[in-house]
Amino acid sequence: AQKITQTQPGMFVQEKEAVTLDCTYDTSDQSYGLFWYKQPSSGEMIFLIYQGSYDEQNATEGRYSLNFQKARKSANLVISASQLGDSAMYFCAMREALRTGGNEKLTFGTGTRLTIIP
Amino acid sequence: DAGVIQSPRHEVTEMGQEVTLRCKPISGHDYLFWYRQTMMRGLELLIYFNNNVPIDDSGMPEDRFSAKMPNASFSTLKIQPSEPRDSAVYFCASSYYYTGELFFGEGSRLTVL
Repeated sequence: AQKITQTQPGMFVQEKEAVTLDCTYDTSDQSYGLFWYKQPSSGEMIFLIYQGSYDEQNATEGRYSLNFQKARKSANLVISASQLGDSAMYFCAMREALRTGGNEKLTFGTGTRLTIIP
Repeated sequence: DAGVIQSPRHEVTEMGQEVTLRCKPISGHDYLFWYRQTMMRGLELLIYFNNNVPIDDSGMPEDRFSAKMPNASFSTLKIQPSEPRDSAVYFCASSYYYTGELFFGEGSRLTVL
């Protein structure tokens, strides 16, 4: 079974609009972390935002925010006021057993290719 | 501060040759991960280390793949013998236990002819 599911293979969004990238996850651990990474065409993996399973507030980093709905096991990324430079692949990832001494590997979703249209 | 450093950035080799990819994690990080990225399979975790000890190598595809971490500042991923299906971008990443965030290197693009 997929641990991380990103249902949107590709999205086209008009510049300056907000965009939501979907991510659902599956885990039985109580302590875990959720991450979003950006991969531009140059290939590097850029960390965007992190949400811990015990964090009560949704994480925010500049124009990025994470809409964390624990009961629904979703961790959607919201980008406000999109820019042309936001065009990239976006990966949702989960790290289970975070800081509890279990198997802490980071599992990635299949990604969403976001294209910002001028 | 230096990030995760990988070498070589690009490698082109012929089937059957040995390939060694190298990684220097961020100083002070106690986790090191090797990932492989292909169009067909996305990002796959191959192996990860905690304090230089391999914890989970269930993602290593075959016995042709091996990884070592002889000290806290160096790791290698070796493929012997290489095959065309090993062509991919191999990423090394490191993290600190408490924060959880992985810092990635720029990747090593391997092409096996």
